[in-house]
Amino acid sequence: AIRMTQSPSSFSASTGDRLTITCRASQGISSYLAWYQQKPGKAPKLLIYAASTLQSGVPSRFSGSGSGTDFTLTISRLQSEDFATYYCQHYYSYPWTFGQGTKVEIK
Amino acid sequence: EVQLLESGGGLVQPGGSLTLSCAASGFTFSRYAMNWVRQAPGKGLEWVSTITGGDGNTFYADSVKGRFTISRDNSKNTLYLRINTLSAEDTAVYYCAWGVITGTFEYWGQGTLVTVSS
Repeated sequence: AIRMTQSPSSFSASTGDRLTITCRASQGISSYLAWYQQKPGKAPKLLIYAASTLQSGVPSRFSGSGSGTDFTLTISRLQSEDFATYYCQHYYSYPWTFGQGTKVEIK
Repeated sequence: EVQLLESGGGLVQPGGSLTLSCAASGFTFSRYAMNWVRQAPGKGLEWVSTITGGDGNTFYADSVKGRFTISRDNSKNTLYLRINTLSAEDTAVYYCAWGVITGTFEYWGQGTLVTVSS
């Protein structure tokens, strides 16, 4: 199975900060990568698919990049509603796998 | 409006079995792959299983292969997950999820909690 490794595992930031989360695949996955945001007690929300395509309705401060094995999710200016846990997920081949998550907390 | 409504969770003894259901609406259910994703308490997300639309091919995570069976009834717009030989490691919220693009989870249900304990 392809292993997805996110870094950092957690991060303290302030409103207005720029945040970059990295996701590395254990083998090449082309651009078959999605990013999700999850808040406590809620189902995840799809933010980005195909590595860089913004899901409809997601604010433009979110962006994704990368292909092959290295990917990033960037939030250009953190807003209060962005404090959450973020997951990457590949869908290149079965079994699909998620990264372990990155928890973004208020500093 | 797309809606996914899971049911069937609860408290089960180790070694027991359970069937989860997901009632779908708001899209042409039979055309699309459907998925189960789970999340153990305080842990990350884990893809569990997928069943394709049309031919109904099934795929499973290694951790559940041989114990879980995914199925669908297109006449009822309902997805199922039969879970056998439950262990404590199966304790989780189980989500039904769907996306137009196979492999992405654009819509999620509210989740159903399965607790395995004696």
